[in-house]
Amino acid sequence: EAQVTQNPRYLITVTGKKLTVTCSQNMNHEYMSWYRQDPGLGLRQIYYSMNVEVTDKGDVPEGYKVSRKEKRNFPLILESPSPNQTSLYFCASSFLPGTDYGYTFGSGTRLTVV
Amino acid sequence: GENVEQHPSTLSVQEGDSAVIKCTYSDSASNYFPWYKQELGKRPQLIIDIRSNVGEKKDQRIAVTLNKTAKHFSLHITETQPEDSAVYFCAASQRTNAGKSTFGDGTTLTVKP
Repeated sequence: EAQVTQNPRYLITVTGKKLTVTCSQNMNHEYMSWYRQDPGLGLRQIYYSMNVEVTDKGDVPEGYKVSRKEKRNFPLILESPSPNQTSLYFCASSFLPGTDYGYTFGSGTRLTVV
Repeated sequence: GENVEQHPSTLSVQEGDSAVIKCTYSDSASNYFPWYKQELGKRPQLIIDIRSNVGEKKDQRIAVTLNKTAKHFSLHITETQPEDSAVYFCAASQRTNAGKSTFGDGTTLTVKP
């Protein structure tokens, strides 16, 4: 089954404790992206990647890191999480999102930073 | 950068009525406009999209129109059903920066039986 898999689904952590949210896709998509969703603010893009070792900032990259060492994986790293990073995070992938295809989203990771 | 505004933020209709959600974008270079539906507790899912060389696209009860001159596009749902109740997001992206996709803030549609 074609899918984007995120883990974990739920995570509660403390301020300052480094964490990684994993994302994997099995569709051989070139593009992958991370979004955060907050009430009333829609989906805001954090980072995206056009291919292995090629990443770029989205609209809200502060406090996040990403890496794309393999085509199928695109982890999101919070090196020192803060409470304002409490949010619902979605990973997404696409063959070519700019012109022909939308993003396929994962199931989401609900992160709480206390 | 691109800015996408979406209206209304909430919309309530009776079953069987039509619903229209409108989005405007700021960057004239944007040329791909997808719409996503997010049911409660679920992930966003692409329901329809339109490219800048097309003015209208229809898929059963849903349609999208695009006015490039005015830089706005709209989602039309006809004969609404309770299962259409969800949050709908519009988005805009462009060929020259394909990975960057800017979303509107969403519209919560409620279809009352």
